[in-house]
Amino acid sequence: EIVMTQSPATLSVSPGERATLSCRASQSVSSNLAWYQQKPGQAPRLLIYGASTRATGIPARFSGSGSGTEFTLTISSLQSEDFAVYYCQQYNNWPPVTFGGGTKVEIK
Amino acid sequence: QVQLVESGGGVVQPGGSLRLSCAASGFTFSSYGMHWVRQAPGKGLEWVAFIRYDGSNKYYADSVKGRFTISRDNSKNTLYLQMNSLRAEDTAVYYCAKVMSSTSCPQWWGQGTLVTVSS
Repeated sequence: EIVMTQSPATLSVSPGERATLSCRASQSVSSNLAWYQQKPGQAPRLLIYGASTRATGIPARFSGSGSGTEFTLTISSLQSEDFAVYYCQQYNNWPPVTFGGGTKVEIK
Repeated sequence: QVQLVESGGGVVQPGGSLRLSCAASGFTFSSYGMHWVRQAPGKGLEWVAFIRYDGSNKYYADSVKGRFTISRDNSKNTLYLQMNSLRAEDTAVYYCAKVMSSTSCPQWWGQGTLVTVSS
């Protein structure tokens, strides 16, 4: 089973600042990596797939990069609606599909 | 647009059973694989099961293998999760999710249904 590790667990950022979230896989997942955003009481929403492709309707301030075992989600200028929990997930070697533990982006 | 609506959650005693449903609309249900993913209160996301578009292959997390069964009825555009021998650790919000074309990546998610296993 591929283990996904996200860091940091919590990121405190001021509105308008840049946020950088990391995700590491225990073995290569090629570019088969997705990022999700989840707000309290809501379902996860797909932001990025294929490590760097924005999903439909996702603003350009969200970008993904990386391949193999190291991945990054960058939010270029945080808006109030971006404060949420973010999960990475690999779909390269499955089953099982595996998720990271999440990074909570909170207001500084 | 894609809509996934889960139902069937509730409170059940340990050892009991429950069947969840996921009604799909807004896309050709019979063309896409589907996942069940759960989230325990205050915790992260855990994949539960997957079924191919035609039901020919099914996969399960080790934590539910032998107790849960995923199935689908393409004539009714509905996905199911039969849960038997429920344990306290199965308490979670259960989400169904449609995959993206040609991948196993969960793309669209329902709003979830809460299952509570408690005596």
